[in-house]
Amino acid sequence: KQEVTQIPAALSVPEGENLVLNCSFTDSAIYNLQWFRQDPGKGLTSLLLIQSSQREQTSGRLNASLDKSSGRSTLYIAASQPGDSATYLCAVKGSARQLTFGSGTQLTVLP
Amino acid sequence: GAGVSQSPSNKVTEKGKDVELRCDPISGHTALYWYRQSLGQGLEFLIYFQGNSAPDKSGLPSDRFSAERTGGSVSTLTIQRTQQEDSAVYLCASSFQGASSDTQYFGPGTRLTVL
Repeated sequence: KQEVTQIPAALSVPEGENLVLNCSFTDSAIYNLQWFRQDPGKGLTSLLLIQSSQREQTSGRLNASLDKSSGRSTLYIAASQPGDSATYLCAVKGSARQLTFGSGTQLTVLP
Repeated sequence: GAGVSQSPSNKVTEKGKDVELRCDPISGHTALYWYRQSLGQGLEFLIYFQGNSAPDKSGLPSDRFSAERTGGSVSTLTIQRTQQEDSAVYLCASSFQGASSDTQYFGPGTRLTVL
């Protein structure tokens, strides 16, 4: 059974810092990995999707990498802003169509 | 275009009552998913619909939970004889064809509170 772990569970940084969120998964037989953002009381917003054949994806200040063989992904956020404060979730899609989620990293960016 | 919508946004019910939660997927999306997000359990898969195929019900926690999808579009998740442990946010997602490469788009969720 696939298990997804996210470290750290919570992170607080001053504005302007670059930061890295980590995600690991136990079964490397995945189709893709997706990073989401969740704001309090809201649904999930997809940030980046990396297919199993890809190594990384970039969108603005966000860069996600995937090392499928080692079961790891990182989300890099450059020049963090208070508006980046949210919970970040990592999810993998395996042979079944549904996503398996990590428990998330709660990020606070202090002004 | 419009995203995934869910109703109601909040639902408070008494233990033992039945509830129905509704999901409207993005127009043209053939795949629809239900997930549940509860404290201490994270986000877990419940059920998946793809076109006219039989749904994947492997994530439903008990036979009190059921879901249907009418006309390949709107879906209803029904919880019978609700229990306090059913309290959670129920999230619906849709994707274009349910292919392995597809992005899943999530609705805002329904927060269910069972008193």
